[in-house]
Amino acid sequence: QKEVEQDPGPLSVPEGAIVSLNCTYSNSAFQYFMWYRQYSRKGPELLMYTYSSGNKEDGRFTAQVDKSSKYISLFIRDSQPSDSATYLCAMVYGGATNKLIFGTGTLLAVQP
Amino acid sequence: EPEVTQTPSHQVTQMGQEVILRCVPISNHLYFYWYRQILGQKVEFLVSFYNNEISEKSEIFDDQFSVERPDGSNFTLKIRSTKLEDSAMYFCASIPGQGSHEQYFGPGTRLTVT
Repeated sequence: QKEVEQDPGPLSVPEGAIVSLNCTYSNSAFQYFMWYRQYSRKGPELLMYTYSSGNKEDGRFTAQVDKSSKYISLFIRDSQPSDSATYLCAMVYGGATNKLIFGTGTLLAVQP
Repeated sequence: EPEVTQTPSHQVTQMGQEVILRCVPISNHLYFYWYRQILGQKVEFLVSFYNNEISEKSEIFDDQFSVERPDGSNFTLKIRSTKLEDSAMYFCASIPGQGSHEQYFGPGTRLTVT
């Protein structure tokens, strides 16, 4: 079983739609959760960082963590064509290690 | 806004050659990382570096790889004898210090081994 699973997509939505991106993980030892946005052939850009179950909102983005279900989500409201990118979830065990464990990424296309 | 920078943006090399990829992390950051992403695959951890020594490395980071912080600003990844399968995007990342987990990535170096 993979540590972090993410549907690769592609996911195509019309402009203005609400987008839901998800990851599941197998190891309950993960403590910290991040979402990155990656444009083609660019570096990952940090969008959201959470460390507890519940919701965290930043503008049009909401990150949700459900540790009991080992499930995290990123919601994008009022999606724009500029949101078209690959969205990567990433997790950290914490403690002595800070290495990020990434999902495969979901390719999102927002159609104008 | 401070950012991680990497040079070169694209490096082409022949199999068996040595390459050095360079990174300038955000100043006052203390932990440094290298990741790689083979085309179409996920981002994979290679190595973490703190206080002038490797703190953790993955199975990928074998004897062909080394890292160095030669001065107060640069952080380098050296591949001693490149293989075709080393072709990938290589990303440098950094975090401010202990207790922080938000890693900030550079734009990457695309390494092509022919």
